[in-house]
Amino acid sequence: EVQLVESGGGLVQPGGSLRLSCAASGFTLSRYWMHWVRQAPGKGLEWVASVKPDGSEQDYVDSVKGRFTVSRDNAKNSQYLQMTSLRDEDTAVYFCVKDSGNWAFDSWGQGALATVSS
Amino acid sequence: QSALTQPRSVSGSPGQSITISCTGTSSDVGGYNYVSWYQQHPGKAPKLIIYDVTKRPSGVPDRFSGSKSGNTASLTISGLQADDETDYYCCSFAGSHPPWVFGGGTKVTVL
Repeated sequence: EVQLVESGGGLVQPGGSLRLSCAASGFTLSRYWMHWVRQAPGKGLEWVASVKPDGSEQDYVDSVKGRFTVSRDNAKNSQYLQMTSLRDEDTAVYFCVKDSGNWAFDSWGQGALATVSS
Repeated sequence: QSALTQPRSVSGSPGQSITISCTGTSSDVGGYNYVSWYQQHPGKAPKLIIYDVTKRPSGVPDRFSGSKSGNTASLTISGLQADDETDYYCCSFAGSHPPWVFGGGTKVTVL
């Protein structure tokens, strides 16, 4: 059974940093693109970032480029999202998501809440 | 404003069929057969229910079906049940920048 477990969320002041981790199990992480998708309180889903199976390529939504960094360690079955220069509008639940290999998101973690507030 | 347009709410009686639309452009929905749909109950993670426009993952009831015409994709729920009352999101691959776009979500109410 595929499991994705996020950790590292919390409360941070504007301009601060957080690092989210996602522990993966039940599948071979190194075979799949991985993603982060966020959901602001009471709002819809927004794709944030993706990382290639070998970690050699990343992509980001424009609003986080230059501030967020996605990475992975296949040996540790984990992916990460380093978030810096955080803004109020980054407040959201961040989901760790597995790519299906068929252009969809087939497994989701329970989410980690990042709250940016003074 | 979301990249894909969904109705904010749709309702139906138990046993009826409802359809949720998802309108994009030729750069996303119309340009690729990579539309997916997600069901999200309150406080839970989204669940994939349709991918590649029409395909259902293992374990998803065949009451859920997808289709596409031009720049608009649709999710149909047949034989509506009480447990279907929740939020639904469409998503499309869009090539690049950003590669993935979501709809704003539709709340389904079972009357």
